[in-house]
Amino acid sequence: DTAVSQTPKYLVTQMGNDKSIKCEQNLGHDTMYWYKQDSKKFLKIMFSYNNKELIINETVPNRFSPKSPDKAHLNLHINSLELGDSAVYFCASSHEVSRGLDTEAFFGQGTRLTVV
Amino acid sequence: AQTVTQSQPEMSVQEAETVTLSCTYDTSESDYYLFWYKQPPSRQMILVIRQEAYKQQNATENRFSVNFQKAAKSFSLKISDSQLGDAAMYFCAYRSATGGYNKLIFGAGTRLAVHP
Repeated sequence: DTAVSQTPKYLVTQMGNDKSIKCEQNLGHDTMYWYKQDSKKFLKIMFSYNNKELIINETVPNRFSPKSPDKAHLNLHINSLELGDSAVYFCASSHEVSRGLDTEAFFGQGTRLTVV
Repeated sequence: AQTVTQSQPEMSVQEAETVTLSCTYDTSESDYYLFWYKQPPSRQMILVIRQEAYKQQNATENRFSVNFQKAAKSFSLKISDSQLGDAAMYFCAYRSATGGYNKLIFGAGTRLAVHP
C-alpha cells in the first residue's frame, strides 16, 4: 500500500499547455506539501496545506495553483507551461510537529515534468 | 531564516569502508528536528535517520549514525560497512519545532558513489 502516491510519474507537454499533477496520502497526515527539484537536484518548497488550508506559499508564479479537496489530497495545476517549469515535482505529507508523533515528511515518487 | 549547507557535492567510498557526509545549519531556534534523506536513482526520497534537537544522544539506525553537535550546528551522517546500494544523493534537512506546520528545509545534497 503506497503511503503517498502521485500521478503521473512522467509528463511531457508542449509550452503553453495546462497540466495537473495529483497526490493522495493514506497516512492520516494533516499537512501536505509540493516541492520542486531542479536540474541540480535542489529541493525547494512551493506550497503547504494543513487540513485543506493554504499555509505556505513561497515565491511561485501564479500560473501554479494548488488545490486541496480534502486533507488526504493535494493537486497541483500549472497553466501556460514554460520551458523553465521542467523539473521533478514531489508531493509530501507529514504530521504537525508534536512530540510523540513522527516528524519526518513522507514523499511521493515524484513527477518528472518535461516542457518542450 | 534557517539554512542548511552541505559542503560536499560529491563523495566516494570503497565497499565495506566507512564514509561521513557533512551538514551544517543555521538557526536561532533551540527546538527543531534534523533528518537525512536518501534519493537513489529511482528518485524516491527515503528517510535514513532522524534526530530531535532536544535529545543529546546521537541517533543510530543499523549502519547509519549521526554526529549531532548542537552548539556547532553540525549534523554529519556516518555510513559504516558501505554497500553498493548506498550509492545515492543524500540530503540533510531541517524542520522547526515551533508552530506545528513547518516545512522541511533541505541542503543542496551530496552524491555518494560506492566502489566495489
